[in-house]
Amino acid sequence: EDQVTQSPEALRLQEGESSSLNCSYTVSGLRGLFWYRQDPGKGPEFLFTLYSAGEEKEKERLKATLTKKESFLHITAPKPEDSATYLCACGGLHFGNEKLTFGTGTRLTIIP
Amino acid sequence: SAVISQKPSRDICQRGTSLTIQCQVDSQVTMMFWYRQQPGQSLTLIATANQGSEATYESGFVIDKFPISRPNLTFSTLTVSNMSPEDSSIYLCSVEQDRGPSSYEQYFGPGTRLTVT
Repeated sequence: EDQVTQSPEALRLQEGESSSLNCSYTVSGLRGLFWYRQDPGKGPEFLFTLYSAGEEKEKERLKATLTKKESFLHITAPKPEDSATYLCACGGLHFGNEKLTFGTGTRLTIIP
Repeated sequence: SAVISQKPSRDICQRGTSLTIQCQVDSQVTMMFWYRQQPGQSLTLIATANQGSEATYESGFVIDKFPISRPNLTFSTLTVSNMSPEDSSIYLCSVEQDRGPSSYEQYFGPGTRLTVT
């Protein structure tokens, strides 16, 4: 069974203080590792898909990296508007059932 | 990216009744998914809905409780039947877009917030 574990559960940072969020995963054949941002009362917003170990993707102050067991979401010089819950999900190679398994998320708060 | 809308955005329902949630996508997609997000929890897949075939349900979810329709490549409905307070959740529709060989992106709608009293 696919499993995704995110840490920490919550993180408070001062504006400009860089940090990283962790996503550990276990999957039988990784099809993709997905990162989402979710604001309160809204659906998840797609950020990245990573496909193989060593891959990196960037978007503004966010950079996602992938190893064979973990993914990290690095946040550089964050701003208050980066406050949100960040969700990680893995997609396994299950023929005919292309589902994502989600972690419980990291609730990020950036303090001005 | 796909633009997804859901109706209703929220509803308050009495136990024992049923609610049908609609999901509309602005482009044709093969795979549509329905997720549930209970208060303070992460997302759990209910079922996968492909056009022209029966929906595939995850363990713990059954067709009698969550019937799904997928009449075409841009629309799907999820019905929550015989509701109880435990069904109070956010229900989310999502679609997968194939971006090329081994390239996938999955997008979510805004969600339907259901409260059962």
